[in-house]
Amino acid sequence: DAGVTQSPTHLIKTRGQQVTLRCSPKSGHDTVSWYQQALGQGPQFIFQYYEEEERQRGNFPDRFSGHQFPNYSSELNVNALLLGDSALYLCASSFLGNTIYFGEGSWLTVV
Amino acid sequence: GIQVEQSPPDLILQEGANSTLRCNFSDSVNNLQWFHQNPWGQLINLFYIPSGTKQNGRLSATTVATERYSLLYISSSQTTDSGVYFCADGDDGNKLVFGAGTILRVKS
Repeated sequence: DAGVTQSPTHLIKTRGQQVTLRCSPKSGHDTVSWYQQALGQGPQFIFQYYEEEERQRGNFPDRFSGHQFPNYSSELNVNALLLGDSALYLCASSFLGNTIYFGEGSWLTVV
Repeated sequence: GIQVEQSPPDLILQEGANSTLRCNFSDSVNNLQWFHQNPWGQLINLFYIPSGTKQNGRLSATTVATERYSLLYISSSQTTDSGVYFCADGDDGNKLVFGAGTILRVKS
């Protein structure tokens, strides 16, 4: 049973560029959430997708957007990258909203 | 929104020692979870424990919801227990607010 999988694992982008990160949820899970974790801090909630719609959103600007596909997989898009967007981006999935499972994350460096 | 305070921020243990990590919450506890983040960044869910006590091997956790705190106990620590321990809670089990974490180093 595959857990939550994310791609790519590492990437480097230039300021102003756009990035897309991908996530496949754990088998049987229908809800996907995205978190940003800056170095030395705890993860911060970006948004949650369920039934292909954004259901909840944290305190992140509109440059952060997402999508959920019919197979429950999800993408996180960040436009107009800033140096401060450098972080570990974590995808999590759940079913019925209690225990959540995280992927290994995508390490984004903006230069 | 809810605020989560973890203590201690850092902890160094000799292999075989026991430890207790604590989380305090500013609001009522709903979907409290404990995680271990390994050196490669992956967050492993240890416990979903909005109330009561659970045990899994050398780890156990207790949440006293009425007093808004939770404790994670690690017994007979091993070097593989090293990493960062987070607690988190939220109205929704997906939209979690995390504490700043406890960095645990177990020395052999």
